[in-house]
Amino acid sequence: AQSVTQLGSHVSVSEGALVLLRCNYSSSVPPYLFWYVQYPNQGLQLLLKYTSAATLVKGINGFEAEFKKSETSFHLTKPSAHMSDAAEYFCAVNDPTNNDMRFGAGTRLTVKP
Amino acid sequence: NAGVTQTPKFRILKIGQSMTLQCAQDMNHNYMYWYRQDPGMGLKLIYYSVGAGITDKGEVPNGYNVSRSTTEDFPLRLELAAPSQTSVYFCASKGGREIETQYFGPGTRLLVL
Repeated sequence: AQSVTQLGSHVSVSEGALVLLRCNYSSSVPPYLFWYVQYPNQGLQLLLKYTSAATLVKGINGFEAEFKKSETSFHLTKPSAHMSDAAEYFCAVNDPTNNDMRFGAGTRLTVKP
Repeated sequence: NAGVTQTPKFRILKIGQSMTLQCAQDMNHNYMYWYRQDPGMGLKLIYYSVGAGITDKGEVPNGYNVSRSTTEDFPLRLELAAPSQTSVYFCASKGGREIETQYFGPGTRLLVL
């Protein structure tokens, strides 16, 4: 079965600094990969996804992620953090042949003024 | 479209009580899912359905039941509530052109005392 590891349960950056949230996956087949964002007391909102097309994926709110097969990684980045980016971020992996989507434990992003 | 809706938003149950968490979607999605979210644990799949009349267990099904009599609705039943079922429950659906992407409801926060 596939799995996801998010390195760092809590990341803190200053406003305007680079955001880097790390995600490594394990999958026996070429996976689909996702980043979701969760604001307080809300559901999960899709940020971006990789489904075997371009390895550099751009999402909403200026976020992007790069699929690196050799490193089994799908790290999320944003060049300049904004206060409104403070939220919890989840990486997820899905085997395209089944309905088994696995989520990471989440990374809480704090943005300091 | 309202997307995925969940009711109630919050509920307190006593040990041994039963309740049904409601989930509905208006996107004509075939696939629907129930997850629970616990702090630091990410999301765990409870049950899922690939269409009306078809359901299957996920990773953590014990203590729960589901039914899927229509495409739109996917209720989750707790028969004998236990403190271990205190959690936030999310319903999700997927289908149509973006078959790989799950869309989430706002969640139901459940406290079992």
